[in-house]
Amino acid sequence: DTAVSQTPKYLVTQMGNDKSIKCEQNLGHDTMYWYKQDSKKFLKIMFSYNNKELIINETVPNRFSPKSPDKAHLNLHINSLELGDSAVYFCASSDGLAGTDTQYFGPGTRLTVL
Amino acid sequence: AQSVSQHNHHVILSEAASLELGCNYSYGGTVNLFWYVQYPGQHLQLLLKYFSGDPLVKGIKGFEAEFIKSKFSFNLRKPSVQWSDTAEYFCAVNAHGGNKLVFGAGTILRVKS
Repeated sequence: DTAVSQTPKYLVTQMGNDKSIKCEQNLGHDTMYWYKQDSKKFLKIMFSYNNKELIINETVPNRFSPKSPDKAHLNLHINSLELGDSAVYFCASSDGLAGTDTQYFGPGTRLTVL
Repeated sequence: AQSVSQHNHHVILSEAASLELGCNYSYGGTVNLFWYVQYPGQHLQLLLKYFSGDPLVKGIKGFEAEFIKSKFSFNLRKPSVQWSDTAEYFCAVNAHGGNKLVFGAGTILRVKS
């Protein structure tokens, strides 16, 4: 049973398109995250949600909009895709908001914008 | 802003060699420290973490890490690596009071059998 799953695993699209990445966790966790891994391999936090409420919103362009329909799901919608959006996007979840909580990661979605 | 530096991007070792991967962070306050590992084809997973107490922490698969506050370091060690330790290793830091993890760029370890 996969704990944190993401779909799709690979996404290739043209500039200007709108796309979504879905994330689901079956761990019963209250907190979920989106990270972006750029070409230099750094994972950078984009958003976090706790019980469907936005907690962290880093300086991400407003073309990126997270949506949490329930605490087990956190989807990422991206409008007007740009070349610089090409990256691997990781979803993660944790039990709570404590800094000591372990985060559990999904397999990643490799987005390529042409 | 917090940052995390991992000094080696690629490390190649023979089986049974000892491993030490460096990690330094820039945050001056109290921190929680993590090492995550991504084995080929698998999800990123926790190897070990430190948040208080004994600065030498032990994790899964014989790994350990030592927090040296004066050096802002949290180096990962294993006395004798195995081929199955081939993976990418990420150091991460979280400042007390928040749940935001700041990651290093990762170190790719290849163990030759």
